[in-house]
Amino acid sequence: KAGVTQTPRYLIKTRGQQVTLSCSPISGHRSVSWYQQTPGQGLQFLFEYFSETQRNKGNFPGRFSGRQFSNSRSEMNVSTLELGDSALYLCASSYGGLAGTYNEQFFGPGTRLTVL
Amino acid sequence: AQSVTQLDSQVPVFEEAPVELRCNYSSSVSVYLFWYVQYPNQGLQLLLKYLSGSTLVKGINGFEAEFNKSQTSFHLRKPSVHISDTAEYFCAVSASHDYKLSFGAGTTVTVRA
Repeated sequence: KAGVTQTPRYLIKTRGQQVTLSCSPISGHRSVSWYQQTPGQGLQFLFEYFSETQRNKGNFPGRFSGRQFSNSRSEMNVSTLELGDSALYLCASSYGGLAGTYNEQFFGPGTRLTVL
Repeated sequence: AQSVTQLDSQVPVFEEAPVELRCNYSSSVSVYLFWYVQYPNQGLQLLLKYLSGSTLVKGINGFEAEFNKSQTSFHLRKPSVHISDTAEYFCAVSASHDYKLSFGAGTTVTVRA
């Protein structure tokens, strides 16, 4: 079974631009979560999508948005990029499911975004 | 809300020596606990998890962890490390009713020959 795929793996943008990152989950998985990893703030939860609906959201400004398609692939978008948005963006997929049930989250290799 | 504190930012250790990575958490609700490992330029890999039941949890690559509810701790141990265990290790917690993971700051383990 193929793992979680993230594209592109590396990206360089300048301040003020916008960027879209893509995540393809493991086949059959319906939940996709996004995390930002920086040296200063560590790993922080951005949002989770399940069956095309945002189910949970972290404390990030509205410049950060996401969506999920009917095939469970997800994209996240960052508008008006700032230098502090430079980070490794990780996505994780799982079967999702009912609250109170556990399904392992599998992480992709990440997209390294550099904002100049 | 849940939070995690990893008590050691860096742990140097000699090959074949034991290692312990300390993790404390706080939460007002029932939680699941995890340890993940991250190798350079890679994503996170699950080492082990505590959901319920036995407080001693065994994971991959010879790692184990003990859940201590009274001390709100979930320390990770390995009796004998290898050079290949050099990596960053993250303790994480989630409320048992959702998928949001809250991570600690990470512990960098460097194994020396």
